[in-house]
Amino acid sequence: AQKVTQAQTEISVVEKEDVTLDCVYETRDTTYYLFWYKQPPSGELVFLIRRNSFDEQNEISGRYSWNFQKSTSSFNFTITASQVVDSAVYFCALSEAVNNNAGNMLTFGGGTRLMVKP
Amino acid sequence: DTGVSQDPRHKITKRGQNVTFRCDPISEHNRLYWYRQTLGQGPEFLTYFQNEAQLEKSRLLSDRFSAERPKGSFSTLEIQRTEQGDSAMYLCASSLVGQGGSPLHFGNGTRLTVT
Repeated sequence: AQKVTQAQTEISVVEKEDVTLDCVYETRDTTYYLFWYKQPPSGELVFLIRRNSFDEQNEISGRYSWNFQKSTSSFNFTITASQVVDSAVYFCALSEAVNNNAGNMLTFGGGTRLMVKP
Repeated sequence: DTGVSQDPRHKITKRGQNVTFRCDPISEHNRLYWYRQTLGQGPEFLTYFQNEAQLEKSRLLSDRFSAERPKGSFSTLEIQRTEQGDSAMYLCASSLVGQGGSPLHFGNGTRLTVT
């Protein structure tokens, strides 16, 4: 069975601080996909990134960066120089791969609520 | 790309009543998904369609729940004889099938409150 654990339920930082959101996953599949989604107060889940299990290269997109480590089954997300607009709930998710395509069922973690104070 | 739209945004109903939600996916997306999210939790998969075929259903989808996607475009999710435990946000998402896969694009959800 697949499982995603986000141990931090709430994090509070002051604007301009760096913050890392942790994600640990469990799966028996050798091919799988990992995702991060942002859920602002409006409720819509916004896709941030997808990684497949064969690509452990870290990725940076502006102030966002992701650290995928297969050895520790972790896919952590760092926001550099946080801003008030980053305040949201962030979800890590996992799906199996079917015929090398991203799977159909996402297993989500419980989410981490990030509050960035001015 | 107008995004995934869901209607209504909010629904309050009395226990025992039936409710129906609608989802319009991104027009070129052939996969459509329903998820449920309770307060403070991550979304949980309910079911998904590829075109008009319902290909997978979660154990969470009891007999009181039925989903349809009759023409492979919009979808409806009906809950019969609602219970207080059905109170949740119901999220719809869509994606493309293709090599390498495609991320799910979610709508704003329908928040159901059963009194």
